[in-house]
Amino acid sequence: AQSVTQLDSQVPVFEEAPVELRCNYSSSVSVYLFWYVQYPNQGLQLLLKYLSGSTLVESINGFEAEFNKSQTSFHLRKPSVHISDTAEYFCAVSTIQGAQKLVFGQGTRLTINP
Amino acid sequence: NAGVTQTPKFQVLKTGQSMTLQCAQDMNHNSMYWYRQDPGMGLRLIYYSASEGTTDKGEVPNGYNVSRLNKREFSLRLESAAPSQTSVYFCASTPGGAGNQPQHFGDGTRLSIL
Repeated sequence: AQSVTQLDSQVPVFEEAPVELRCNYSSSVSVYLFWYVQYPNQGLQLLLKYLSGSTLVESINGFEAEFNKSQTSFHLRKPSVHISDTAEYFCAVSTIQGAQKLVFGQGTRLTINP
Repeated sequence: NAGVTQTPKFQVLKTGQSMTLQCAQDMNHNSMYWYRQDPGMGLRLIYYSASEGTTDKGEVPNGYNVSRLNKREFSLRLESAAPSQTSVYFCASTPGGAGNQPQHFGDGTRLSIL
């Protein structure tokens, strides 16, 4: 079975400051890794994903995440946040084999203060 | 461009009442999912349908039933609602096959059981 732990339930930062949202996972088999974002009163949207190849993946809005196999981590970073980044962020894994079933972390609520 | 549509958006039930949550997708996706979201627990998979004609239990199936009516529609039924089923319910879909496909989410149904 797989499990995902997001180490911070809430992260407050000031606008234009850097941020890191931490995610660790556990799995006995190879997995794909995802970050989803949820804006208030909306469903989840894919932010970025790691499938294979380069361990650093980027999104179109400036976020990046690095897959670290030895530490079983997939932390999300952004060098300079904006008010519009205020949302809840979920890390998730899915096994490579078989039907896709996402296992989510508990979520991290990112609050940007002006 | 509707994507995944869930109805209703809000519902209040009394303990013991029954209800069906509806979900439809217009992306010709093969796989569909039902999740519940509770504070501090992320999203947990209730049931999924890897393809039309199949359904399987997820992590928290007790108290729920599902029907894959056709390729577009996947409904979730609460036969006898309990206060513990107060939650936000999300439907999602994906093309299916490989586990590397992102899931597309609806905007959720907010369900309160009194």
